[in-house]
Amino acid sequence: DGGITQSPKYLFRKEGQNVTLSCEQNLNHDAMYWYRQDPGQGLRLIYYSQIVNDFQKGDIAEGYSVSREKKESFPLTVTSAQKNPTAFYLCASSLLGEGPHGYTFGSGTRLTVV
Amino acid sequence: AQSVTQPDIHITVSEGASLELRCNYSYGATPYLFWYVQSPGQGLQLLLKYFSGDTLVQGIKGFEAEFKRSQSSFNLRKPSVHWSDAAEYFCAVGGDQAGTALIFGKGTTLSVSS
Repeated sequence: DGGITQSPKYLFRKEGQNVTLSCEQNLNHDAMYWYRQDPGQGLRLIYYSQIVNDFQKGDIAEGYSVSREKKESFPLTVTSAQKNPTAFYLCASSLLGEGPHGYTFGSGTRLTVV
Repeated sequence: AQSVTQPDIHITVSEGASLELRCNYSYGATPYLFWYVQSPGQGLQLLLKYFSGDTLVQGIKGFEAEFKRSQSSFNLRKPSVHWSDAAEYFCAVGGDQAGTALIFGKGTTLSVSS
């Protein structure tokens, strides 16, 4: 079955460490997105990518980095520069082009700083 | 500025009663509108979407939404709520430009009482 897979489901990070969250899709979607979710804050856009080897900053990109070396993969690195990384991270993908293409979401990664 | 407002943070509805969740948007171009549902610790699932045509759209799980351009609203409704509908609901808006990232509201948590 086609879908979008995020791993790991739970991740713990020590202060000063970088961690990478994985996001893989087999839907042949062109665009991929990373959102951060905090209680009462809704979803806030971190980065998105419409094409391989290209990506754009969202509203809260500081302290995060991404790569898009393959169409199927869009990993997110939470760097030590991100001062408050504890949150639920959601990856999504979508088709591009004419029409209201909604997102397909992964099941999320919960990151906790210990 | 482009934005989505969900005025109700938390709503409690009796099982079997009707439901309406409010969504107001501000968007400069022709909007695509979406409603998503999220169970605790999970990703988001698309309930329905609107771009053009009939202003009353039907979605999954018995939900419907009505687009009212004059009020910049896209309210979600269900005639009879089931206990399994308890979840968080997100309204989102996007544009017809390829790859435009969706803007999400902060969500409404629905509780269902017996």
